[in-house]
Amino acid sequence: TQLLEQSPQFLSIQEGENLTVYCNSSSVFSSLQWYRQEPGEGPVLLVTVVTGGEVKKLKRLTFQFGDARKDSSLHITAAQTGDTGLYLCASQRGSNYKLTFGKGTLLTVNP
Amino acid sequence: GAGVSQSPSNKVTEKGKDVELRCDPISGHTALYWYRQSLGQGLEFLIYFQGNSAPDKSGLPSDRFSAERTGGSVSTLTIQRTQQEDSAVYLCASSLVPVTGVSPLHFGNGTRLTVT
Repeated sequence: TQLLEQSPQFLSIQEGENLTVYCNSSSVFSSLQWYRQEPGEGPVLLVTVVTGGEVKKLKRLTFQFGDARKDSSLHITAAQTGDTGLYLCASQRGSNYKLTFGKGTLLTVNP
Repeated sequence: GAGVSQSPSNKVTEKGKDVELRCDPISGHTALYWYRQSLGQGLEFLIYFQGNSAPDKSGLPSDRFSAERTGGSVSTLTIQRTQQEDSAVYLCASSLVPVTGVSPLHFGNGTRLTVT
C-alpha cells in the first residue's frame, strides 16, 4: 500500500501570510491530485499533476510535483479566510483506478 | 442537479440496526467509489464500481458491509448490525474513466452516520 504522508497536520495562520503544505511518499506516484474539503462538504479537486518537476498555478495557489515523483507541495500566497479547509493529496498507482488519500492538512486562516 | 447526490445527509441509528446509504452519481459517470472519513483518519477507500461490477472491494472493513450498483447508476451501501466504530462520514464519488490518465473524483457531501 502506498502511504501518503501530509504535513503539517494542522496549520493556523493570519490572513495575508504565505504557507506551504507537503505530500510525500516512499513510492513513485503515477499521478497526484490535490483536493480541498470544506466543512460539511465533499472534497473538490484543485489540480492533477503527472509529470516530474511540473509546476501548476491556480490563482494564488502553486502546486509542485517533485522531479522523482515522490513528493508534492502546495504553496498559497497571501492566504485569505476563504482558503480555510482540509487539503488532501491523493495518488493513483499504476493502472489501478483506486485513489489513495493522505490524512490531510487542516488549514485555518484567521482574519 | 448536476452533482453527486447522497442521502440521507445525516443518520442516527442504534447499535445493532441495519442502515442503507444511497448515492446518485453524475449522469454518464461509469466509475463510482465509496470512502469513509473518520476524524483524524483521512479518507478510507471502501469499494469501487466500474459500471455495475465491483472489481475492487478490498476496503470493506467486514462482512457487515456490502454495496451494490444497479443500472450503472445509483449505488447503495448497506451496513448490517451497526457498531459504534461504524460512526463516520460516508462519502460517495463518481468519475469518468478515460483511456489515459486519471479523471477527477466528484464527491457528494456525504452521509454522517452516528451509531448510538
